[in-house]
Amino acid sequence: ETGVTQSPTHLIKTRGQQVTLRCSSQSGHNTVSWYQQALGQGPQFIFQYYREEENGRGNFPPRFSGLQFPNYSSELNVNALELDDSALYLCASSLRDSNQPQHFGDGTRLSIL
Amino acid sequence: DAKTTQPPSMDCAEGRAANLPCNHSTISGNEYVYWYRQIHSQGPQYIIHGLKNNETNEMASLIITEDRKSSTLILPHATLRDTAVYYCIVRVAHSNSGYALNFGKGTSLLVTP
Repeated sequence: ETGVTQSPTHLIKTRGQQVTLRCSSQSGHNTVSWYQQALGQGPQFIFQYYREEENGRGNFPPRFSGLQFPNYSSELNVNALELDDSALYLCASSLRDSNQPQHFGDGTRLSIL
Repeated sequence: DAKTTQPPSMDCAEGRAANLPCNHSTISGNEYVYWYRQIHSQGPQYIIHGLKNNETNEMASLIITEDRKSSTLILPHATLRDTAVYYCIVRVAHSNSGYALNFGKGTSLLVTP
């Protein structure tokens, strides 16, 4: 069973740039959720994708957007990067309509200069 | 989702049982309790979850009070590798509008030699 994988592991960008982060879900999972974790804080929910559509969103502006592909993998896109976007971005996959837990990847560390 | 309250930090001697409490006094009847932990620079790791009955797996035991307003995660024989931040999370089961995990700040567990 392949777990959740994320790429890249680390990334450095400057203010105003755009970034795309990628996530491959665990085999058998059809739902992907993205979280942002600032230093010293717990992860905060960004949004969730199911059947290639956004299905639930946290308190994040529209410049945070995503995609889900037919193979259930997903991308997180952030436009017009700000210094406060520096964080660990976590992807979690799960099986929709199930009480089984979300399983997380080890994240992408994004630093904005 | 119901809010959870955890102590910010705890210590435990290696080899002893670690008992991590969590209050979730506003939990609803169909809400599950999930426990995750996060070791520095890694993604959150699922530990265990339950609804009303006590649960046990290879990692830990989960004791839920009869009124379901609190629970305790038990690591029966703590090791140094159990040093991590532990999150107690309540989420709504089978939400048609999607769901998220509300991590909070968790409990930082330090296992000492």
